[in-house]
Amino acid sequence: DAGVTQSPTHLIKTRGQQVTLRCSPKSGHDTVSWYQQALGQGPQFIFQYYEEEERQRGNFPDRFSGHQFPNYSSELNVNALLLGDSALYLCASSLGPMGARGYTFGSGTRLTVV
Amino acid sequence: QQQVKQSPQSLIVQKGGISIINCAYENTAFDYFPWYQQFPGKGPALLIAIRPDVSEKKEGRFTISFNKSAKQFSLHIMDSQPGDSATYFCAASLSNTGNQFYFGTGTSLTVIP
Repeated sequence: DAGVTQSPTHLIKTRGQQVTLRCSPKSGHDTVSWYQQALGQGPQFIFQYYEEEERQRGNFPDRFSGHQFPNYSSELNVNALLLGDSALYLCASSLGPMGARGYTFGSGTRLTVV
Repeated sequence: QQQVKQSPQSLIVQKGGISIINCAYENTAFDYFPWYQQFPGKGPALLIAIRPDVSEKKEGRFTISFNKSAKQFSLHIMDSQPGDSATYFCAASLSNTGNQFYFGTGTSLTVIP
């Protein structure tokens, strides 16, 4: 049973560019949440997708946007990249938008902005 | 505002010793408190979790102690092993309003053989 799959694993982008990160949830899960983890810090919630809609959003600017597809997979898009966007981006999947049943993290995408 | 505060930032323990990591939270509406273990290059993995209606939960060598009145909870790792060397994060969430997790800043644990 595959867990949460994220791609790519590593990415280097130039300041001002745009990036798209991808996440496939664990089998049976229908909700995807995205987190940003800066070096030496705990993960910070970006947003959550359920039924192809953004359900919750953390304190992140509109440069961060997302999408969820009918197969529950999700994309995180970041526009106008800043050096401060360099971080590990984690995707977590769960069953339903409420509660914490089976909340499972992927291994993340390491984004470096130069 | 940091919703969940974690200490210490780093911890060095001898093999066989007890590792203790503490967290404090602000929002009394939080109703789910998990601890995550993270190895370098990997995502956080759920270790153990507790809800505020119990004061202690034990799973193998890992125990969560929860003090609702003090708004504090802690992770105890008994008989610490070198394989436990990792970064540990406490977290909190409000399950009835969605599963947004608020994480602490992490504790880097090193268990010396």
